[in-house]
Amino acid sequence: GAVVSQHPSRVICKSGTSVKIECRSLDFQATTMFWYRQFPKQSLMLMATSNEGSKATYEQGVEKDKFLINHASLTLSTLTVTSAHPEDSSFYICSAKILGGGLHNEQFFGPGTRLTVL
Amino acid sequence: SQQGEEDPQALSIQEGENATMNCSYKTSINNLQWYRQNSGRGLVHLILIRSNEREKHSGRLRVTLDTSKKSSSLLITASRAADTASYFCATYEDTGNQFYFGTGTSLTVIP
Repeated sequence: GAVVSQHPSRVICKSGTSVKIECRSLDFQATTMFWYRQFPKQSLMLMATSNEGSKATYEQGVEKDKFLINHASLTLSTLTVTSAHPEDSSFYICSAKILGGGLHNEQFFGPGTRLTVL
Repeated sequence: SQQGEEDPQALSIQEGENATMNCSYKTSINNLQWYRQNSGRGLVHLILIRSNEREKHSGRLRVTLDTSKKSSSLLITASRAADTASYFCATYEDTGNQFYFGTGTSLTVIP
């Protein structure tokens, strides 16, 4: 149980295009989902916290107009990288927190999406 | 930054040896978790230790937590080549709702 999927797993796009990444909790409901970004050989950096039915909370330094987050249901959050540029190339990982907190407020991570902007 | 720090950044050992990684953090936490990440892949949850626990074991893994020093360690005993990966600690704060990841340790186990 507690599986989180991401789609697509890998995407290559041209500079200036927008890319949407989906994060789904497959067998549980998640009121809160988180989006992380990871550059090569670096740690995960929290980008934003996404709460179902409300606006996302962005970490300092993350452009909310650049990284649009929608959390329309208890099982789906989307991250749209708008007008992507090569510097947006990164590994994007989402995680989901079980409704009600779960054991020790555990989060479950998706497998990640590799974005390459040419 | 609320991000924790891990040391060493990189560790290379022979198969069969023990590997120890340390994590330091900055805030008061509810729990601390260790994750493993193979190159270019997602995260695998290894072990969770709560703030009122001092030590926890899971198979070849041993985790300690010292909240007074705001630090944790992960020990992998009898390492195997398949343990080669990056290891991250992540703290879950008392008052917040987020995880903050450490900088990670890249472990290489030489067969």
